[in-house]
Amino acid sequence: GENVEQHPSTLSVQEGDSAVIKCTYSDSASNYFPWYKQELGKGPQLIIDIRSNVGEKKDQRIAVTLNKTAKHFSLHITETQPEDSAVYFCAASVDSGYALNFGKGTSLLVTP
Amino acid sequence: DAGVIQSPRHEVTEMGQEVTLRCKPISGHNSLFWYRQTMMRGLELLIYFNNNVPIDDSGMPEDRFSAKMPNASFSTLKIQPSEPRDSAVYFCASSPLAGVGETQYFGPGTRLLVL
Repeated sequence: GENVEQHPSTLSVQEGDSAVIKCTYSDSASNYFPWYKQELGKGPQLIIDIRSNVGEKKDQRIAVTLNKTAKHFSLHITETQPEDSAVYFCAASVDSGYALNFGKGTSLLVTP
Repeated sequence: DAGVIQSPRHEVTEMGQEVTLRCKPISGHNSLFWYRQTMMRGLELLIYFNNNVPIDDSGMPEDRFSAKMPNASFSTLKIQPSEPRDSAVYFCASSPLAGVGETQYFGPGTRLLVL
């Protein structure tokens, strides 16, 4: 089955700096890659997603890049703010399926 | 839209007791998912329903776990008998359509502690 590896497990940045979280996946058939943000005591919330026919997608301060050849994708957050502090999860889904295979998460701390 | 509703938000029980977790998906959504989150294993899919029918329950850890979806607006996840290793946060998520690439909307979760 699909195996999603996520790094780093923890990340601390200063307010205004950029943060990058990287994920790799094992199943070359995967073609949907969402990113979720989970705040303390809440369920994961989708923040951005990318499909395999696109190499990069941006939404304000958030961007995701995908390299299908290398089977990795990354989340980039620019001009970080304290409210960006949360746990971020990447996921991958294979073409014929529906199940999201999640990475183990990255705990991001943005210090003022 | 109220989002996915889960109850209870917190549950503390003793080993051997029956536990029932409840979920109300977003109105109009056809797919419903139950996930379990632990520090060791992260987010794991337990079972997936499409149009109230269980499609894949391969993630259900043991026969002690069962899930039902009697109608489009309600699902339950039952653990009987519960064990301390079942302690986790259980999430319900719903999606408007079946298939890959459809956004899953998560509920706030039920934090279960089995003593």
